[in-house]
Amino acid sequence: KQEVTQIPAALSVPEGENLVLNCSFTDSAIYNLQWFRQDPGKGLTSLLLIQSSQREQTSGRLNASLDKSSGRSTLYIAASQPGDSATYLCAVRHRGSQGNLIFGKGTKLSVKP
Amino acid sequence: SAVISQKPSRDICQRGTSLTIQCQVDSQVTMMFWYRQQPGQSLTLIATANQGSEATYESGFVIDKFPISRPNLTFSTLTVSNMSPEDSSIYLCSVAEGHVYEQYFGPGTRLTVT
Repeated sequence: KQEVTQIPAALSVPEGENLVLNCSFTDSAIYNLQWFRQDPGKGLTSLLLIQSSQREQTSGRLNASLDKSSGRSTLYIAASQPGDSATYLCAVRHRGSQGNLIFGKGTKLSVKP
Repeated sequence: SAVISQKPSRDICQRGTSLTIQCQVDSQVTMMFWYRQQPGQSLTLIATANQGSEATYESGFVIDKFPISRPNLTFSTLTVSNMSPEDSSIYLCSVAEGHVYEQYFGPGTRLTVT
């Protein structure tokens, strides 16, 4: 059974710092991995999707990497801003079950001005 | 990317009653999903609702408790039946698009059962 773990559960950094959020998964037979952002009381916003054949994806100040063999992904946020404060969720889609995303519990990020 | 709206955005309901949540998508999509997010927890898939077939429920979720309709490619409803305080959660509608199945979520419905 696929399990997704995110470390740390919470992170507080000063504005301007570069930071890394970690995601690990137990079954490497994934179709893809998706990073989301969730603001308090709101739905999820898709940030980046990495296919199983890819190593990384970039969007603006965000860079996500994938090491499928070791079951790890990282989300790198450059030059953090207070507006980046949110919970970041990692989710994997298992190969052969394209419809079902398995989520981690998230990392709650607080960027202090 | 698909734009998803949900109604209601929030509700407070009494124990034993039912609530129907609506999900509207601005484009035709085949794969639609309903998730639950309990307080302080991550998301759990309730069911997959593909148009033209019966909804498929995940372990721990049953049709009598969470009946789903999917009348067309842009709309779905989830009913939470005979509610108890344990059903207090955020319920989210989601769709998957394209050959990579990138998934998008609605804003959620925050349900409180008293």
